[in-house]
Amino acid sequence: DARVTQTPRHKVTEMGQEVTMRCQPILGHNTVFWYRQTMMQGLELLAYFRNRAPLDDSGMPKDRFSAEMPDATLATLKIQPSEPRDSAVYFCASGLVQDGRFGANVLTFGAGSRLTVL
Amino acid sequence: ELKVEQNPLFLSMQEGKNYTIYCNYSTTSDRLYWYRQDPGKSLESLFVLLSNGAVKQEGRLMASLDTKARLSTLHITAAVHDLSATYFCAEDMRFGAGTRLTVKP
Repeated sequence: DARVTQTPRHKVTEMGQEVTMRCQPILGHNTVFWYRQTMMQGLELLAYFRNRAPLDDSGMPKDRFSAEMPDATLATLKIQPSEPRDSAVYFCASGLVQDGRFGANVLTFGAGSRLTVL
Repeated sequence: ELKVEQNPLFLSMQEGKNYTIYCNYSTTSDRLYWYRQDPGKSLESLFVLLSNGAVKQEGRLMASLDTKARLSTLHITAAVHDLSATYFCAEDMRFGAGTRLTVKP
């Protein structure tokens, strides 16, 4: 089965450090999403790309978060500097969106990157 | 504001009982998705509902969509412990808060 691969699976870091999370979407999927999951806020959409172009990053704290897609096989989410409130599970998901519609194509989620900022 | 609202957020059921989870959304979308998340795991697709009146069933779970009411339901029949998980509805990329279901013996 095709999978979305995320690294690292777990990351513990100290406040102020830079954190980079990586995602390899499913080949052929044209849309990549970054979500953050916490107990308090649930599943928040941070940013997403279509055909590698950023479409919406309004869910991201702009001052410290950045998302890029340097090529079709790699999406990155960077936090600099990290803060304890960034502790969460970050999910990458990919999907095939055609004519602006998901249709029968669901999102496939990666296993997530669990970030702990001390 | 675009919203996807689920209720209840927490549901504790006895095995063998029936219950329904509700998902309201704010757009005029004609499609709705259900996902399941086991504790400590990722989300997996459960149902895809692509038109008004669509009904999908798998085992003890049945999902339906009423686009006029902007409402989808996930009905659980004769719950078993294996159904314990968090269930999310989504309108495209927008997810509800999730319903954490616990099925007790």
